[in-house]
Amino acid sequence: QRHLQESGPGLVKPSETLSLTCTVSGGSISGSLYFWAWVRQPPGKSLEWIGSVYENGSVSYYPSLKNRVTLSVDTSMNQFSLNLRSVTAADTAVYYCAKHADFWSVDNWFDRWGQGTLVAVSS
Amino acid sequence: EIVLTQSPGTLSLSPGARATLSCRASHSVKSSYLAWYQQKLGQAPRLLIYGASSRAIGIPDRFSGSGSGTDFTLTISRLEPQDFAVYYCQQYGTSPLTFGGGTKVEIK
Repeated sequence: QRHLQESGPGLVKPSETLSLTCTVSGGSISGSLYFWAWVRQPPGKSLEWIGSVYENGSVSYYPSLKNRVTLSVDTSMNQFSLNLRSVTAADTAVYYCAKHADFWSVDNWFDRWGQGTLVAVSS
Repeated sequence: EIVLTQSPGTLSLSPGARATLSCRASHSVKSSYLAWYQQKLGQAPRLLIYGASSRAIGIPDRFSGSGSGTDFTLTISRLEPQDFAVYYCQQYGTSPLTFGGGTKVEIK
């Protein structure tokens, strides 16, 4: 059973870049055939898909975030990462990394989630 | 983008009662590509249902999903104390992936 764990700063200043990493254990990203995702949840609100990345670097992003987001994968470290540029207070949220359940496609559900990490945007 | 509207916002029920949660889509969800998640306070979402009606591994059979097109339902046949939580639907048939606003099931 794969285990996912987010890591990164809990506080980011406005206009700066939010950077998070998800470390996968219990299985390799390389050769897994899955997409790996980031989902966020502002305090007291619902979930929002940010984007997903495949082991070869292929990505799919939520349209309204596309201009500010970069997802990448490091198969040697068994990690994938999120960079969100030019953050504002509206980007304050719990950020989850997650694993897509089905092979090769973004068009499926999430069957494994990290515990989540709260990132606050404040000066 | 497919917008998912969940109702009611809050459901107040007693343990042992039946819970019926609704998820309505703004456009038809392709191939019933709809999932349900349970989220407890301070925890990550937990997959319950995928493909509108298939239970995930380890999910008790008191949880069931149904529906197609634009109308989907999650039913909890007899509420256990551990079932009081927030429930979200998610569609994955059309990009971007989207979630509903959630239904909170609270103890009456």
